[in-house]
Amino acid sequence: ILNVEQSPQSLHVQEGDSTNFTCSFPSSNFYALHWYRWETAKSPEALFVMTLNGDEKKKGRISATLNTKEGYSYLYIKGSQPEDSATYLCAPYKAAGNKLTFGGGTRVLVKP
Amino acid sequence: DAGVIQSPRHEVTEMGQEVTLRCKPISGHDYLFWYRQTMMRGLELLIYFNNNVPIDDSGMPEDRFSAKMPNASFSTLKIQPSEPRDSAVYFCASSSLTGDRAEAFFGQGTRLTVV
Repeated sequence: ILNVEQSPQSLHVQEGDSTNFTCSFPSSNFYALHWYRWETAKSPEALFVMTLNGDEKKKGRISATLNTKEGYSYLYIKGSQPEDSATYLCAPYKAAGNKLTFGGGTRVLVKP
Repeated sequence: DAGVIQSPRHEVTEMGQEVTLRCKPISGHDYLFWYRQTMMRGLELLIYFNNNVPIDDSGMPEDRFSAKMPNASFSTLKIQPSEPRDSAVYFCASSSLTGDRAEAFFGQGTRLTVV
């Protein structure tokens, strides 16, 4: 079983503020880490796929970093907007056995 | 490509009936995943296929659940007999998991209600 933990489970952010949250995963046999954004009543959509230690990716106001040696990734939202309200999921997978297993997610609510 | 296509979008059935959910993955993707969205477990992986072969079905909750992938463009998830606790949204996703577009692409989901 691939133990994936995301924290916090939920957070409220004031519009305009920046925030970040964590995905923790076993570092052994690491192959890649996926981040997805999941809006209510919709399907999850990919944000990033990260593979290299020290990797940093950015899409608009959202960015992510990756530490494969210690087994964690941070996702940052700069200047949060109401449209950023969603659940953010991470899914690591190992070199052996490409089972894409998701963490429980961090639910972000941006208040106007 | 039209993306991952799931059908039906909504299904209401009576307890004890057989339910079949369908998925058409994106052409060229060799991985197909079936997930279930529940309040308790979030997005729960049920089974996944690689090149039409089931690789890991350890997430399938009971023998009442079965999945097949007869060819690269079609997969089914069947529940027989269905129970009220099976009510959930079921997602299908496909991916190559490698290369420039390694992310998984999700279908719109099938909302199943068992009464």
